[in-house]
Amino acid sequence: AQSVTQPDIHITVSEGASLELRCNYSYGATPYLFWYVQSPGQGLQLLLKYFSGDTLVQGIKGFEAEFKRSQSSFNLRKPSVHWSDAAEYFCAVGGNYKLSFGAGTTVTVRA
Amino acid sequence: DTAVSQTPKYLVTQMGNDKSIKCEQNLGHDTMYWYKQDSKKFLKIMFSYNNKELIINETVPNRFSPKSPDKAHLNLHINSLELGDSAVYFCASGMTGGYEKLFFGSGTQLSVL
Repeated sequence: AQSVTQPDIHITVSEGASLELRCNYSYGATPYLFWYVQSPGQGLQLLLKYFSGDTLVQGIKGFEAEFKRSQSSFNLRKPSVHWSDAAEYFCAVGGNYKLSFGAGTTVTVRA
Repeated sequence: DTAVSQTPKYLVTQMGNDKSIKCEQNLGHDTMYWYKQDSKKFLKIMFSYNNKELIINETVPNRFSPKSPDKAHLNLHINSLELGDSAVYFCASGMTGGYEKLFFGSGTQLSVL
């Protein structure tokens, strides 16, 4: 069975500082990995995805993520956060006809 | 021109009532999903339909019954609503195995009083 763990429930970061969100996955085959963002009261928006190839993937809004098979990780990074990055972030793994999500990480941005 | 639209956006009802949430997609996708997001923001898949056939049913109580009249619609009917059903329900659509093109609706916030 596939599963995702996001160890950090809540992260607070200063505007302009860097951000890293952790994600660990469990899946028997080559994983399809995703990061989604959910702003308050909104649906989910895809930030980036990894299927194969280059293990460093670029996404929208200046985000990037690195796939590390040896660590079963797919951590999300942004070099300099903006106040508008305050949201809920979900890591997900695709397989068996579905996406399975982690519990999410809430990001708060302080001025 | 909303890609995946859900109605209603908010639903407030009493325990024991029966209610439905509707979902429609205009993307030509063949697979549709219902996800439940609880108060702790955890997203869990409930159902998936592919070409109107149920392919995923994740141990959801029988009070929940999805119905897919055609590939573009997947409705969720809930009987005898309970307090624990309060959550945000998201509809999503995509192509078979095409996770990269999964689109989510904006959610239906269900509050059971």
